[in-house]
Amino acid sequence: AQSVTQLDSHVSVSEGTPVLLRCNYSSSYSPSLFWYVQHPNKGLQLLLKYTSAATLVKGINGFEAEFKKSETSFHLTKPSAHMSDAAEYFCVVRGDSTLTFGKGTMLLVSP
Amino acid sequence: DAGVIQSPRHEVTEMGQEVTLRCKPISGHNSLFWYRQTMMRGLELLIYFNNNVPIDDSGMPEDRFSAKMPNASFSTLKIQPSEPRDSAVYFCASTKLAGARTDTQYFGPGTRLTVL
Repeated sequence: AQSVTQLDSHVSVSEGTPVLLRCNYSSSYSPSLFWYVQHPNKGLQLLLKYTSAATLVKGINGFEAEFKKSETSFHLTKPSAHMSDAAEYFCVVRGDSTLTFGKGTMLLVSP
Repeated sequence: DAGVIQSPRHEVTEMGQEVTLRCKPISGHNSLFWYRQTMMRGLELLIYFNNNVPIDDSGMPEDRFSAKMPNASFSTLKIQPSEPRDSAVYFCASTKLAGARTDTQYFGPGTRLTVL
């Protein structure tokens, strides 16, 4: 069985400052991990994924995440937030065939 | 590619009515997933299909819910009779092959269902 915990339900940043969204996982398998983003009233869009290749994964829109097995973490970062980054972000772990979603972190970006 | 297509985008119905949600997966994808998203429970997997065959329906809430995939390009999720607690956003997703190490699920825009 697998699970994922997103440590913050809301994160507030100012435009131009760094973003850190935290995620811890547990998995019986060597995990595949994903970050999805959901803008208001939209579907989910894949930001990036880790599938046992490089531990630092680069995604779209300047986001990246680092897989740390020793810490069972897969935190999402971005050096400089943009207003358009305001959305809900989901950390996801894949088990054998299905995905388990975290509860989501709402990112708020102020001018 | 058009991506995953869902219809309708919004549905408002009255308690007791039958509701049918539709999904067209990405061409060439062999696996299809139905999810429900609510504020209380987040995103939950309801059921998924591989090659049109239901593999895991353990997430289907109760017998009022049923899903079919008559062919590789179409799936339905039916609720009969509908209840107010079914109000949620229902997402369909598809991938080339569920369980493959590199599979990525692509999501449709969702159907927002309101049951009055």
